[in-house]
Amino acid sequence: KQEVTQIPAALSVPEGENLVLNCSFTDSAIYNLQWFRQDPGKGLTSLLLIQSSQREQTSGRLNASLDKSSGRSTLYIAASQPGDSATYLCAGYNAGNMLTFGGGTRLMVKP
Amino acid sequence: GAGVSQSPRYKVAKRGQDVALRCDPISGHVSLFWYQQALGQGPEFLTYFQNEAQLDKSGLPSDRFFAERPEGSVSTLKIQRTQQEDSAVYLCASSLLLAGPNNEQFFGPGTRLTVL
Repeated sequence: KQEVTQIPAALSVPEGENLVLNCSFTDSAIYNLQWFRQDPGKGLTSLLLIQSSQREQTSGRLNASLDKSSGRSTLYIAASQPGDSATYLCAGYNAGNMLTFGGGTRLMVKP
Repeated sequence: GAGVSQSPRYKVAKRGQDVALRCDPISGHVSLFWYQQALGQGPEFLTYFQNEAQLDKSGLPSDRFFAERPEGSVSTLKIQRTQQEDSAVYLCASSLLLAGPNNEQFFGPGTRLTVL
């Protein structure tokens, strides 16, 4: 059974810092991997989807990488802003039909 | 609509009441998923439909939980005799094609259920 772990569980940084959020998974037979953002009381906003044949995806200040062999994905946020404060979730698509989510990283960016 | 919609957005129930949560997937999407997200946790899979067929219900936590999608579009998640541990956000997602590892799921805003 796929298990997804996110470290750290919570992170507080000053505005402007570059930061890395980590996601690890136990089953290397993962296909796509997706990063989501969740604001308090809200649903999931898709940030980046890394397809199985890709190693990374970029969108603006966000860059996500996927290394299946090591069972890891990272989300890099450049020049963090207070508006980036949210919970970030990674989720893996396996051969089955459901997404397996990590527990999330709660990010606070202080002005 | 353009995205997945869910109703109600918030539901407060007294313990023992039955509740029904609705999901409207993106028009034309074949697959529909339900997830449960407890406070401070990541979402966990409940069940999945391909058109009107419920192909996987392995994540439903008890027989008090029931889901249906009778016409292959709108889905309803029903919880009977609600308990406090059922308090969570219930998320619905849909995907265009048959479910599989390469078919992206799109999420609705969720229904926050609070059982008193």
